[in-house]
Amino acid sequence: DAKTTQPNSMESNEEEPVHLPCNHSTISGTDYIHWYRQLPSQGPEYVIHGLTSNVNNRMASLAIAEDRKSSTLILHRATLRDAAVYYCILRGPNTGNQFYFGTGTSLTVIP
Amino acid sequence: GAGVSQTPSNKVTEKGKYVELRCDPISGHTALYWYRQSLGQGPEFLIYFQGTGAADDSGLPNDRFFAVRPEGSVSTLKIQRTERGDSAVYLCASSPGLASGEQFFGPGTRLTVL
Repeated sequence: DAKTTQPNSMESNEEEPVHLPCNHSTISGTDYIHWYRQLPSQGPEYVIHGLTSNVNNRMASLAIAEDRKSSTLILHRATLRDAAVYYCILRGPNTGNQFYFGTGTSLTVIP
Repeated sequence: GAGVSQTPSNKVTEKGKYVELRCDPISGHTALYWYRQSLGQGPEFLIYFQGTGAADDSGLPNDRFFAVRPEGSVSTLKIQRTERGDSAVYLCASSPGLASGEQFFGPGTRLTVL
């Protein structure tokens, strides 16, 4: 399995930016970097994904290191509804094009 | 529009019984996935369907687990001779196709084996 490493937990104050790191030193050239989040008692929800260039959407931004061995999910203004477990996942031919979730980062947002 | 739905939301059964879990994907989505999530862990891939066929069943833990998708829409995950270790939340997801980077997840079925 293509492995990622994330901190077990992080805290952020409400309305401040949050940077969630992910290390994936064994990433191959064809692996996409995906981020999903899972709110309590719900199924995972897509956040963003990218290959090499930084990506922005309405939910977040994804900053990918030049060597692609790490990436950062950026939530520009954390809200209480962003409290969730965030999963960084590699997907590509090495993973059979399937998602292999790790244990993710549990984000707590402090009011 | 309607998202992925799963029934039942909760299922309690006794060790050794047979259970079926149902997934209704988003209309038009050709790809369908089953995952299993134990407490404190991320979802674990079980099986992937493209249309009616199981394109990748490498995640099924043993031959007690089987899934079907006979008409390329609704899917059923079947577990025979359930064991206490099968207790988990079973998640279903669908996507427009394998190439899509986004999977849409249902709320899951919580299976408890007593």
